[in-house]
Amino acid sequence: DVKVTQSSRYLVKRTGEKVFLECVQDMDHENMFWYRQDPGLGLRLIYFSYDVKMKEKGDIPEGYSVSREKKERFSLILESASTNQTSMYLCASSLRGPHEQYFGPGTRLTVT
Amino acid sequence: DQQVKQNSPSLSVQEGRISILNCDYTNSMFDYFLWYKKYPAEGPTFLISISSIKDKNEDGRFTVFLNKSAKHLSLHIVPSQPGDSAVYFCAARHLGAQKLVFGQGTRLTINP
Repeated sequence: DVKVTQSSRYLVKRTGEKVFLECVQDMDHENMFWYRQDPGLGLRLIYFSYDVKMKEKGDIPEGYSVSREKKERFSLILESASTNQTSMYLCASSLRGPHEQYFGPGTRLTVT
Repeated sequence: DQQVKQNSPSLSVQEGRISILNCDYTNSMFDYFLWYKKYPAEGPTFLISISSIKDKNEDGRFTVFLNKSAKHLSLHIVPSQPGDSAVYFCAARHLGAQKLVFGQGTRLTINP
C-alpha cells in the first residue's frame, strides 16, 4: 500500500512566522504535489515536483515555496504566514504518467 | 478560469438508490479523468478513473461515464450506502501533464 505521511495533523501559527510542512512517501513516486483545500474552492495546486530538486508552480504559488532534496520528501514552506493561509494542506504523490495521486491525511493549519 | 466544474455543491440520496454525481470540463486536451472521495479530516482517496479513449469504466458499485462530445463526466454509485456519505471530487489530467485539475467537490449524503 502506498503511504503518504504529513508531519502534523493540526498546526497553529502566528502571523509572520515561518512554517514548514513536511511530506514523505514510501513508494518511490517521481511526482509530489502540495494542495490546499478550502470550502467551495476544491483542491488548488500550490506547487509540484516531478523529480529531485525540480519544482514547478501550480495555480496559487504566491506566499509559498517548496523544497525537494530527496525523492521521498517534499516540503512546503510559508515564508511569512498570513491569516489567509489558514487552510487544509494536502500532500500527494504519483508515478509519472496517467496514474492516480495518493494523498496524505492533511494538515489543518490555522494562522492567528 | 475553472476548467473542471462540479455544479452541484451537495446531493442527498436515499440508501439503496442510485447516486449520480456530475462533472463538466472545458479543455478538450484532457485525456484522463479520476474521481476521489474525501471524508472530513482525511486526505482524498482514489475511487475510479477513465481514459479518454473509453466511455465507461466499472469497479464494483462505482461506474464512471465519459461523454467527450458534451465534455461531461459522471459517477454512478449503486446501490448507495451510508458509508458513501463524503465529498466527491472529479479531476482531469491534460495530455502529457503530470498535474491534475480538480473540481470544487460535491457533498453526497446518503439517508437511511
